[in-house]
Amino acid sequence: SQQGEEDPQALSIQEGENATMNCSYKTSINNLQWYRQNSGRGLVHLILIRSNEREKHSGRLRVTLDTSKKSSSLLITASRAADTASYFCATGYGGGTSYGKLTFGQGTILTVHP
Amino acid sequence: GAVVSQHPSRVICKSGTSVKIECRSLDFQATTMFWYRQFPKQSLMLMATSNEGSKATYEQGVEKDKFLINHASLTLSTLTVTSAHPEDSSFYICSASNPLRDEKLFFGSGTQLSVL
Repeated sequence: SQQGEEDPQALSIQEGENATMNCSYKTSINNLQWYRQNSGRGLVHLILIRSNEREKHSGRLRVTLDTSKKSSSLLITASRAADTASYFCATGYGGGTSYGKLTFGQGTILTVHP
Repeated sequence: GAVVSQHPSRVICKSGTSVKIECRSLDFQATTMFWYRQFPKQSLMLMATSNEGSKATYEQGVEKDKFLINHASLTLSTLTVTSAHPEDSSFYICSASNPLRDEKLFFGSGTQLSVL
């Protein structure tokens, strides 16, 4: 089942502005990941944050994780038109038979206007 | 970086025919691959987990006789949509995990299936 809830469902901003997307989940996790999908294409991994981490950076991306609230946020700073895509959060549960078996959120469609 | 190749990218077929989709991990051995289905503007729905050398594990509600999965080698998994019907039209995506690269997934570019 899809346990990730993302908001907003759609976000429209101007180039140069920051974009913030939020993700909530219901059960305990080992890690949370963010992926990007361009229309009609596969997904590209952006960043992984472990359950014992609170914040992680990668270039213009900043991800936070609050396990007490079961929520995460993805911040894209100084957005560009090329950032236009759908963004999905996904929760992972660690080893054993669940390894790699991620549960994806509903996604946020980001549109960055030039 | 890890690369997953998926083929074909698009297929149009007549109702009643079978369609095979291939998913290959090009630079790592993938003991586990995943098959997803995605409808327009919606999230990914996991269909099945493909394990090399053993039977696939299907998610609840997914017909295993309809969606045949074979994972005969560490680099190749195939999904065959048997006797396809218009309601099977969808975007199918495969992914693979590399235990040496955390739990992140590497995705193929997807296959758009249109059944007439």
